[in-house]
Amino acid sequence: EIVMTQSPATLSVSPGERATLSCRASQSVSSNLAWYQQKPGQAPRLLIYGASTRATGIPARFSGSGSGTEFTLTISSLQSEDFAVYYCQQYNNWPTFGPGTKVDIK
Amino acid sequence: QVQLVQSGAEVKKPGASVKVSCKASGYTFTSYYMHWVRQAPGQGLEWMGIINPSGGSTSYAQKFQGRVTMTRDTSTSTVYMELSSLRSEDTAVYYCARQRTTLFFPWGWFDPWGQGTLVTVSS
Repeated sequence: EIVMTQSPATLSVSPGERATLSCRASQSVSSNLAWYQQKPGQAPRLLIYGASTRATGIPARFSGSGSGTEFTLTISSLQSEDFAVYYCQQYNNWPTFGPGTKVDIK
Repeated sequence: QVQLVQSGAEVKKPGASVKVSCKASGYTFTSYYMHWVRQAPGQGLEWMGIINPSGGSTSYAQKFQGRVTMTRDTSTSTVYMELSSLRSEDTAVYYCARQRTTLFFPWGWFDPWGQGTLVTVSS
């Protein structure tokens, strides 16, 4: 099983600031990585797939980068609606998820 | 638009079984694999397994082998997830999610997700 880790567990950011979230895989997953956003009481929503391709309708302030074992999700200027939990998921093999990073208001 | 609509919340006693449905619309049902993912209260996402709606083949996470059964009904574009021998630790929101992937790659990302079904296991 490929183990995914995310850091930090919680990120406190002011609106308008940049947020950088990290995801690491226990072995290479190439670019087979997705990012999801989840708000309380809602299902996860796809943001990024293929490590860096934005899903349909996702604002340009969301960007993904990385390959192999190290990945980053960047939110360039946080809006109020971006405060949520973010999960990475690898699909190089049986899918596994990271534990999530909670982005809250500073 | 592509939509996955799941059945309603369930309350079960330990040892019982639960069957959750997920009705797909807005696309060709048999063209996309479907996954089930669960989320315990306040916890992260846990993959349970996958079903090919076309042929019905399945693959389950080792943790759930022997307790989970995924099936589909092509006439109603619905997939089902049945979990047996329920215990309190199975209390969670259960999601279905459609797989998207690049050509010929066996695994993929999930989009969209169903709204989730809360299963509560309590005596």
